[in-house]
Amino acid sequence: AQSVAQPEDQVNVAEGNPLTVKCTYSVSGNPYLFWYVQYPNRGLQFLLKYITGDNLVKGSYGFEAEFNKSQTSFHLKKPSALVSDSALYFCAVRSWTNNNDMRFGAGTRLTVKP
Amino acid sequence: GAVVSQHPSWVICKSGTSVKIECRSLDFQATTMFWYRQFPKQSLMLMATSNEGSKATYEQGVEKDKFLINHASLTLSTLTVTSAHPEDSSFYICSARDAAGVGGYTFGSGTRLTVV
Repeated sequence: AQSVAQPEDQVNVAEGNPLTVKCTYSVSGNPYLFWYVQYPNRGLQFLLKYITGDNLVKGSYGFEAEFNKSQTSFHLKKPSALVSDSALYFCAVRSWTNNNDMRFGAGTRLTVKP
Repeated sequence: GAVVSQHPSWVICKSGTSVKIECRSLDFQATTMFWYRQFPKQSLMLMATSNEGSKATYEQGVEKDKFLINHASLTLSTLTVTSAHPEDSSFYICSARDAAGVGGYTFGSGTRLTVV
C-alpha cells in the first residue's frame, strides 16, 4: 500500500529563514509524490510533484522538494520563508490501486512569524 | 490550467434533510473524480471514487446509501448527503483527474457543511 508520513504537526520559523517540512513515503513501485498547501476553509493548491527525473523539484511560490530514494523522503523546502506561507501543508502519494487516488499525510501546520 | 469548481462553498441545513454538493471540471474532461472529507485539523480522508458512467467505489466504512455519488457526465460529479445529521458536519473536497491521468489532480475549493 502507498502511504506518506509527516512527522511534524507544527513547524515554526521566522520570516526570512529557510523552512523545511518533512515527508517520508512508503510505496511499492515507483513513487508519484506531491505537495499541496491549504489555506483556511479552502481546497488544496498544488505546489509541486515528483514523477521521475531530477531529484530536486521546483514548484510554485519558491518552494522546492528533494526526492531522496535511499531515505524514502520528499521534504519540502524554501530558502526564505514569508509570513504569507503560513498554512497547512500536505504531502501526498498517488496510489497504485485501480482508482489511482491520492493518499495524504496528516498535514503540517507551518507558522512563519514576522 | 485545469480548474475544478465546487459548489456551494458552504451550506447550513437542518437534521434530516439532504444536501447536494457539485463538483465540475471547467476546462477538461474528468473521467474520475474523488470525494474527500476533512475533519478540523485533520487530513483528507478519501470517501469514494466517482467514475463517469458507472457506480462509485466507496472506501471501507463509508455508507453508500448516505453519501450518494453521481457522475453522469465527464464534467460533473455530485455528492448528496442524505438525511443529514450533525455528525455529518465537515469539510468536503472533491478532486478530478483528467483523461490523461498523469501526475496530480486538481482540487475544488471545498464545501463546509454544517448540520443543525
